[in-house]
Amino acid sequence: GNSVTQMEGPVTLSEEAFLTINCTYTATGYPSLFWYVQYPGEGLQLLLKATKADDKGSNKGFEATYRKETTSFHLEKGSVQVSDSAVYFCALDRTTDSWGKLQFGAGTQVVVTP
Amino acid sequence: GAGVSQSPSNKVTEKGKDVELRCDPISGHTALYWYRQRLGQGLEFLIYFQGNSAPDKSGLPSDRFSAERTGESVSTLTIQRTQQEDSAVYLCASSPYQAGKDAYEQYFGPGTRLTVT
Repeated sequence: GNSVTQMEGPVTLSEEAFLTINCTYTATGYPSLFWYVQYPGEGLQLLLKATKADDKGSNKGFEATYRKETTSFHLEKGSVQVSDSAVYFCALDRTTDSWGKLQFGAGTQVVVTP
Repeated sequence: GAGVSQSPSNKVTEKGKDVELRCDPISGHTALYWYRQRLGQGLEFLIYFQGNSAPDKSGLPSDRFSAERTGESVSTLTIQRTQQEDSAVYLCASSPYQAGKDAYEQYFGPGTRLTVT
């Protein structure tokens, strides 16, 4: 079945450091891939997405590239800020005939210190 | 504009009691989803409504769980005879149906934290 695996947290790093959160998936068909972010005390928000192989999603300085050959969608940011502290979830839509049903990874907590 | 709202924000109930959780989607969004987030885990899909189509209930963990939606508006998730393992945050999301254009972007509510004692 379809699944999403992302690196365990918490990930603690200093402001202006480089952030990578690994995400790999298994899926039938050609899923769309997403990163959602949950800031403390807030609801989940879509951060970025990619709908086909080699697409790059980007938003707020974050980037992720849909790599079909390695079934990965790693999230990166070149210089993090304290305000980036949050829980990040990698997700895919489950099957091509189940429109919109997202399957999530377990989430990775990121803590950025001044 | 108004986002997805959920009520109550917190619910504490005794084992064996029934609970109802409410979701108000963004106006005009035809699709509505319920997810469950257990502590330290990712979100589990529960149920999906799209317009007037039959709901996709494939994620409901047992027959104690049910959900209804009135047209394209409010939805309620009901858990009967609650168990301690039902303790989780229940999240609702909605999305507009726009085939081929941001069709998959879901907008999440703040969730209802359910604690079963």
